[in-house]
Amino acid sequence: KAGVTQTPRYLIKTRGQQVTLSCSPISGHRSVSWYQQTPGQGLQFLFEYFSETQRNKGNFPGRFSGRQFSNSRSEMNVSTLELGDSALYLCASSLAQRTGDTQYFGPGTRLTVL
Amino acid sequence: AQTVTQSQPEMSVQEAETVTLSCTYDTSESDYYLFWYKQPPSRQMILVIRQEAYKQQNATENRFSVNFQKAAKSFSLKISDSQLGDAAMYFCAYTSRTASKLTFGTGTRLQVTL
Repeated sequence: KAGVTQTPRYLIKTRGQQVTLSCSPISGHRSVSWYQQTPGQGLQFLFEYFSETQRNKGNFPGRFSGRQFSNSRSEMNVSTLELGDSALYLCASSLAQRTGDTQYFGPGTRLTVL
Repeated sequence: AQTVTQSQPEMSVQEAETVTLSCTYDTSESDYYLFWYKQPPSRQMILVIRQEAYKQQNATENRFSVNFQKAAKSFSLKISDSQLGDAAMYFCAYTSRTASKLTFGTGTRLQVTL
């Protein structure tokens, strides 16, 4: 079974631009979660989608948004980019038939904001 | 709020030896799940082991085992017969029955020497 895929793997943007990251979960997984990883803040939860609905949200500004499609693929959007948004963005999928299901991670998208 | 603490920023072990990575957590919930993830230089987050809090028995996966002390809120990872490929960042993570997000510790960088 194919793993979680994320595209693109690397992105360079400038301040003020917006960016969209994509995540395809493992086949059969209905939950997709997004995390931001930075050297200063570590790994922080952004949001989780299950069956096209946002089920949980972390403490990030409204510039960070996401959505999930009927095939469980998810996109994350960041508008009005700031230098501090430079990070590795990780997507994880799980069956999510119940909470506590193991989350499996993709390789990440490295975003650099100049 | 739940917190996860990894007090060892770096550890070193010789090949074929055993090493233990520490993790403590704080929660008021009684039903939760704990994980150890490994992040090698490729940055792909890989599941090492999963523990369900209601299970008394410590989880084991080949050379990896945990010492789960629920009363002490401690969840350490033991790596036996260490191999060069075990060199990575190791993250301890928590999720509860009521929320699907993972809360991560700050990580322990493990070096494996010849």
